[in-house]
Amino acid sequence: DTEVTQTPKHLVMGMTNKKSLKCEQHMGHRAMYWYKQKAKKPPELMFVYSYEKLSINESVPSRFSPECPNSSLLNLHLHALQPEDSALYLCASSQPDRAAQPQHFGDGTRLSIL
Amino acid sequence: DQQVKQNSPSLSVQEGRISILNCDYTNSMFDYFLWYKKYPAEGPTFLISISSIKDKNEDGRFTVFLNKSAKHLSLHIVPSQPGDSAVYFCAVIPDSNYQLIWGAGTKLIIKP
Repeated sequence: DTEVTQTPKHLVMGMTNKKSLKCEQHMGHRAMYWYKQKAKKPPELMFVYSYEKLSINESVPSRFSPECPNSSLLNLHLHALQPEDSALYLCASSQPDRAAQPQHFGDGTRLSIL
Repeated sequence: DQQVKQNSPSLSVQEGRISILNCDYTNSMFDYFLWYKKYPAEGPTFLISISSIKDKNEDGRFTVFLNKSAKHLSLHIVPSQPGDSAVYFCAVIPDSNYQLIWGAGTKLIIKP
């Protein structure tokens, strides 16, 4: 059982829709991450939140908007996405104030843009 | 240039035998190495890690070996089981403590 929970598991949306991906962790971690993963590729980092503040944005287009309402929750708001944005979106968490801690991943949201 | 390389896209091993997955890296300053396992339609699962002050770490059927002079690490799975069939990613945490640098992955197939 994963301790990082992502909803929904699958999402199909049109290019004009607005939707949100949600992630919740109960591991007491204070760093949370969004990744994008295409088939047969490793995950690509999108955003990092540390202590609820955005610390890294890997030059992600503005049609992706992250939000961290509290230390357990992470959202990714989607608007006007393109077909090439279809991918598996993964959330992860870790403990930022202890050196070299592994990130723990949720099972992802499979996103399809029509 | 890829900083973390997994040169074998796939590996097929007989059930009960040893599986050896390999990973090479370019930066001798890298400090902490991890292996993740990924099934289709699931997120990566953390398996085992090793820091640069060690050359071996063991957890049940999984052992990771680190050869710093060769900048090489390997994951040994023994005995291999059908449930081990998955994609295995090698990853590095550089001193930034946030960004994982990933290898391209190796698909392991365990044959019955």
